[in-house]
Amino acid sequence: QVQLQESGPGLVKPSETLSLTCTVSGGSINNYYWSWVRQPPGKGLEWLGHIYHSGSTNYNPSLKSRVTISVGTSTNHFSLQLSSVTAADTAVYYCTRVVAYCIDGVCYHPIDSWGQGTLVTVSS
Amino acid sequence: DIQMTQSPSTLTASVGDRVTITCRASQSFISWLAWYQQKPGKAPNLLIYKASRLQSGVPSRFSGRGSGTEFTLTISSLQPDDFATYYCQQYHTYPWTFGQGTKVEIK
Repeated sequence: QVQLQESGPGLVKPSETLSLTCTVSGGSINNYYWSWVRQPPGKGLEWLGHIYHSGSTNYNPSLKSRVTISVGTSTNHFSLQLSSVTAADTAVYYCTRVVAYCIDGVCYHPIDSWGQGTLVTVSS
Repeated sequence: DIQMTQSPSTLTASVGDRVTITCRASQSFISWLAWYQQKPGKAPNLLIYKASRLQSGVPSRFSGRGSGTEFTLTISSLQPDDFATYYCQQYHTYPWTFGQGTKVEIK
């Protein structure tokens, strides 16, 4: 069973760049989409973007080009960078796997695996 | 963006009750909807995809239905392990969006 583990600083200063890495074990990074989802304390879930193993990406426009997701297929990891952070970016950040269930020629892409999440606080 | 609105925000029920959570979308789509369960301090867990397909390992007391702009998640007989927060999510159109969550509490 695939396992995902986030790593990175738990405290980032305002205006700096938040950088997180997700290490994938128990399975290959190939042939899947990999995404980041965040959850501010006590609030709901927000999808930040995803990357395919080939490197193609799709991002949430609400982040106004501050987000970059990259993948390292040879090292089975993918990463998140979020620039110019503010207190509003304080959240638990989850790395996730997006599975493709194809039925009658149509594919559905729910998130089937999540890391345990890592709290990132933006504060000086 | 497709806005997903869940109701109710909080649901108080007893063990054994049948409960239904509704998720309404601001735009119509067919089946690109998932439901997740999240317990405090834990990551969400996939329950249902394609609006009504049960994820492997999920108890059969969970069921989903709907199409267009209205979707529902039903728990046929609430168990102690089911007290949690539930989220719907559409993956029909970018950006993917979640409902605000429904917290199921013990009466």
